[in-house]
Amino acid sequence: KQEVTQIPAALSVPEGENLVLNCSFTDSAIYNLQWFRQDPGKGLTSLLLIQSSQREQTSGRLNASLDKSSGRSTLYIAASQPGDSATYLCAVFTGANSKLTFGKGITLSVRP
Amino acid sequence: GAVVSQHPSRVICKSGTSVKIECRSLDFQATTMFWYRQFPKQSLMLMATSNEGSKATYEQGVEKDKFLINHASLTLSTLTVTSAHPEDSSFYICSARGADPETQYFGPGTRLLVL
Repeated sequence: KQEVTQIPAALSVPEGENLVLNCSFTDSAIYNLQWFRQDPGKGLTSLLLIQSSQREQTSGRLNASLDKSSGRSTLYIAASQPGDSATYLCAVFTGANSKLTFGKGITLSVRP
Repeated sequence: GAVVSQHPSRVICKSGTSVKIECRSLDFQATTMFWYRQFPKQSLMLMATSNEGSKATYEQGVEKDKFLINHASLTLSTLTVTSAHPEDSSFYICSARGADPETQYFGPGTRLLVL
């Protein structure tokens, strides 16, 4: 059974800091890995999707990496801003017509 | 990108009543829709998977008679929480999958509070 872990559960950083959010998964046989953002009381916004054959994806100040063999992914946020404050969820897709398995998320607070 | 809507966004009901939540894919046909439940500070837990025109597949531990799912068209799925109790209070999120089997689009969620 696939399990996704995100540690720590919460993180607080000062504005402008570069930071890394970690995600680990137990079964390396994945199709893709996705990072989502969730604001309080809201749904999910997809940030980056990395296919199993890829090692990283970039979008603006965000960079996600994937090391499938070790079961790890990181989300790098450059020059963090207060508007980046949210919960960041990692999810893996384990097969065609399969389902997403989510981690519990990391709640990020960026202090002005 | 593809848009998925949910209605209502928030609902408060008395214990024992039934509540229906709608999930719609607005600009694509969703062959498969998923219903998740999220408790505070917890991850999204998949409740069931529904394919258009067929019965939903429920995850272990989810009562199919309590959480009725109907996927009558390629753009609409409904989740009915029957005889709701306070422990059913949660954030319910749907997602929809179209032609690409590896991509899901998520709705904005429905906050259910059962008094």
